[in-house]
Amino acid sequence: DVKVTQSSRYLVKRTGEKVFLECVQDMDHENMFWYRQDPGLGLRLIYFSYDVKMKEKGDIPEGYSVSREKKERFSLILESASTNQTSMYLCASSFPGEGGETQYFGPGTRLLVL
Amino acid sequence: DQQVKQNSPSLSVQEGRISILNCDYTNSMFDYFLWYKKYPAEGPTFLISISSIKDKNEDGRFTVFLNKSAKHLSLHIVPSQPGDSAVYFCAASPEGNMLTFGGGTRLMVKP
Repeated sequence: DVKVTQSSRYLVKRTGEKVFLECVQDMDHENMFWYRQDPGLGLRLIYFSYDVKMKEKGDIPEGYSVSREKKERFSLILESASTNQTSMYLCASSFPGEGGETQYFGPGTRLLVL
Repeated sequence: DQQVKQNSPSLSVQEGRISILNCDYTNSMFDYFLWYKKYPAEGPTFLISISSIKDKNEDGRFTVFLNKSAKHLSLHIVPSQPGDSAVYFCAASPEGNMLTFGGGTRLMVKP
């Protein structure tokens, strides 16, 4: 069974803080994704990575950066957290070239920025 | 501008009846469509998919219909069960596994 884990289920941070969200998958997937989920807006892609040290911007990359130093780990970084980054953050992984049904999601991290 | 839209934020259905969730898209390059289901405090899980060469795909109680000319797809759940209560997201892809998601519909199935 594919397992995608995220380092925290809930986080509370202050405006201006640097925030790290970690995601680890155990299926040797090349592709990894970071989404945020907001009411009425669904899941929006922030960044994705198709290989170690590779990254591509998604639909809403502003205010975020990512790091992929190892195949199994994909980190999302908020350099200076702002209140409009309060959201649910979801990580996913998949093999390349397969259909979208092969995206496996972690449980999510609910981030509150005060 | 959202390329994938779910216009009903919520839907309430009696147990045993049919649930119909709708989704519209604008990008004619989308050729693969999926439905994901999400319970609270869990990540979304894949439910069912359909490619643009088909107009119907069925898996047990779940059927997805695709109307390409109308750029519309729907998910039918028959019969609905209380355990189906969740948020349902439709998603579309022009190729590979880059997905664009709709805003979600919260389904409540009442016993």
